[in-house]
Amino acid sequence: AQKVTQAQTEISVVEKEDVTLDCVYETRDTTYYLFWYKQPPSGELVFLIRRNSFDEQNEISGRYSWNFQKSTSSFNFTITASQVVDSAVYFCALRRGSGGSNYKLTFGKGTLLTVNP
Amino acid sequence: NAGVTQTPKFRVLKTGQSMTLLCAQDMNHEYMYWYRQDPGMGLRLIHYSVGEGTTAKGEVPDGYNVSRLKKQNFLLGLESAAPSQTSVYFCASSWAIENNEQFFGPGTRLTVL
Repeated sequence: AQKVTQAQTEISVVEKEDVTLDCVYETRDTTYYLFWYKQPPSGELVFLIRRNSFDEQNEISGRYSWNFQKSTSSFNFTITASQVVDSAVYFCALRRGSGGSNYKLTFGKGTLLTVNP
Repeated sequence: NAGVTQTPKFRVLKTGQSMTLLCAQDMNHEYMYWYRQDPGMGLRLIHYSVGEGTTAKGEVPDGYNVSRLKKQNFLLGLESAAPSQTSVYFCASSWAIENNEQFFGPGTRLTVL
């Protein structure tokens, strides 16, 4: 069975602080994909990043960075120098790479990030 | 491109009423999905479709039906709404390749009284 755990329900930081959102996943597959989505207060879901299980290289995109570690089954997301516009719910999700249910995204319950001015 | 659109954006129903949510995508995606989002629960898959004329059950299919008569449209029906179906409903679509992300619609907020 697939499972995604985002242990941090809510995080509150002051602008310009760095913040890391944790994501731990469970899967028996050797091929799988991990995703992060952002849901701002307006409600839409915005795709941020995709990572496959064979690529453990960390990725940086501006103030955002992602740390994928298969040894600990984690795919953590760090925002550097946070801004008020980063306030949102962030979801981590897992998708199988093969098999009959590879269509399905298993979502974590989300982390509400509030960045205060 | 409009991407993924959903109609309506908001709806209030009384228990026992029926309604249909419409999802449309203009990206020629093969796969389409319906999720519901409830507080503290993340998103859960209701039904999905891997192509025109096909549908299948997800995690929480009870009380819902779907149809995909045209590739670009995916309809979610509630035959007899219940208060437990109060939720925000998201439609998504994707290419039929393993590593492709899902593109989400803006959501429909449904309240069942």
